[in-house]
Amino acid sequence: DTEVTQTPKHLVMGMTNKKSLKCEQHMGHRAMYWYKQKAKKPPELMFVYSYEKLSINESVPSRFSPECPNSSLLNLHLHALQPEDSALYLCASSQGSGGAQVNEQFFGPGTRLTVL
Amino acid sequence: QKEVEQNSGPLSVPEGAIASLNCTYSDRGSQSFFWYRQYSGKSPELIMSIYSNGDKEDGRFTAQLNKASQYVSLLIRDSQPSDSATYLCAVRGLTGGGNKLTFGTGTQLKVEL
Repeated sequence: DTEVTQTPKHLVMGMTNKKSLKCEQHMGHRAMYWYKQKAKKPPELMFVYSYEKLSINESVPSRFSPECPNSSLLNLHLHALQPEDSALYLCASSQGSGGAQVNEQFFGPGTRLTVL
Repeated sequence: QKEVEQNSGPLSVPEGAIASLNCTYSDRGSQSFFWYRQYSGKSPELIMSIYSNGDKEDGRFTAQLNKASQYVSLLIRDSQPSDSATYLCAVRGLTGGGNKLTFGTGTQLKVEL
C-alpha cells in the first residue's frame, strides 16, 4: 500500500481565517513532507519532518506552521494567508534517508487551496 | 545552470511509438533518480526510480542512468493517449540529510491518435 491521504480536497479561505491541512500515511515511513505547487511549475519543498522532528524549513513564511503529532500524521496550519498563497498543497512520505538507498517519495492527492 | 534540467516540450509522439524523455543534473553527488507522471490538476505519481548506472525496466517504462554523463532518461514504449501528461524528473542528493528532492520543470508529453 503506497497511499498517502490528505484532507480536505479543496479549501477556500479568507485572509483572516485560520485553517489546517491534514495528511496521513500508514506505510511506516519516517519522513514526511509538505510541498506547494503552482500551475505549470514543479512542486516546491516547504518542510521536511524526519523521525517526527522538523529537519528542513525552506524559509517558509511564518503564516504556514507545520506540525507532526506522530509518525503517521502531518498537519499544516494556515493563518493570515495572502491570495498568492493559492496553490495545490501536496503531502508526501518516504522511508527516510537512513532506511533506504532509494528513499522514494509518495505523494498524496493534494489540497487545492484558494485564498480570497 | 539549473540543478535539474528538462526540455519543457511539448513532446508529441504518435500512438504506439516510443517516447523518450531526458533529464540532466548538475550535482555529481546525486544518489537516486525518479520519474513522476502528473496529469493536469492531479498530484505527481511515482513511475520509476533508479540509482545504479544502466537500465531499469518496468512494463512499458525503461529508466536509463548514466552517472558519468549526469544524464537520466525515461523511455515509454507503445505510447498510449493515456500517457499524455507532464513527466517530472527528480534527483535526490545528500543535502537535507538525503531527504531532499530537486525537481526539473517537467516535460509535457502528448500522445496523438
